[in-house]
Amino acid sequence: SQKIEQNSEALNIQEGKTATLTCNYTNYSPAYLQWYRQDPGRGPVFLLLIRENEKEKRKERLKVTFDTTLKQSLFHITASQPADSATYLCAPGDYGQNFVFGPGTRLSVLP
Amino acid sequence: GAVVSQHPSRVICKSGTSVKIECRSLDFQATTMFWYRQFPKQSLMLMATSNEGSKATYEQGVEKDKFLINHASLTLSTLTVTSAHPEDSSFYICSARDGAGKDIQYFGAGTRLSVL
Repeated sequence: SQKIEQNSEALNIQEGKTATLTCNYTNYSPAYLQWYRQDPGRGPVFLLLIRENEKEKRKERLKVTFDTTLKQSLFHITASQPADSATYLCAPGDYGQNFVFGPGTRLSVLP
Repeated sequence: GAVVSQHPSRVICKSGTSVKIECRSLDFQATTMFWYRQFPKQSLMLMATSNEGSKATYEQGVEKDKFLINHASLTLSTLTVTSAHPEDSSFYICSARDGAGKDIQYFGAGTRLSVL
């Protein structure tokens, strides 16, 4: 069955540094992969979608890579700020099918 | 971006009562809506998928008679927790997929259900 892992349950970094979150999947060949942000007591908010034929995608301070050989996606936040503190969820998916969320990584950016 | 409104945001009820949660897509037509449940510090668990005008598809282990889902229009889906018990206390989140062929899901703000 499909398995999605995110590198760590929690990640603490210093303000201004680059945060790197990892999403690994097994028994699955998704056509795309999405990243969401979830704040406590709130629903997830869509951040980025990267397709299997795209190696990298950027949006402001966010960068996502997608390596279908390694079955891995990396999510980077550059120049991190305390306001970036949240739980980040990856969600590999296929067109027209439901996607499954990873367990999430709780990022804390320390001032 | 697209907006999904979920109501109520918080509900406290007595054991044995039924609770209805509404999910509306405000600026797009949602051919498919999803209902998730989330326990503290855990990821979202898909409960069911509903398509407008048809019966919902429930995930394994989710009681369809317990969690009634109605998707009567392209902008509204409801989840009714029937005869709620304390173990049903959880955070329920809906999402909607844009019917224009996009695969992005837009989420509601969630409903915190507490059953006493």
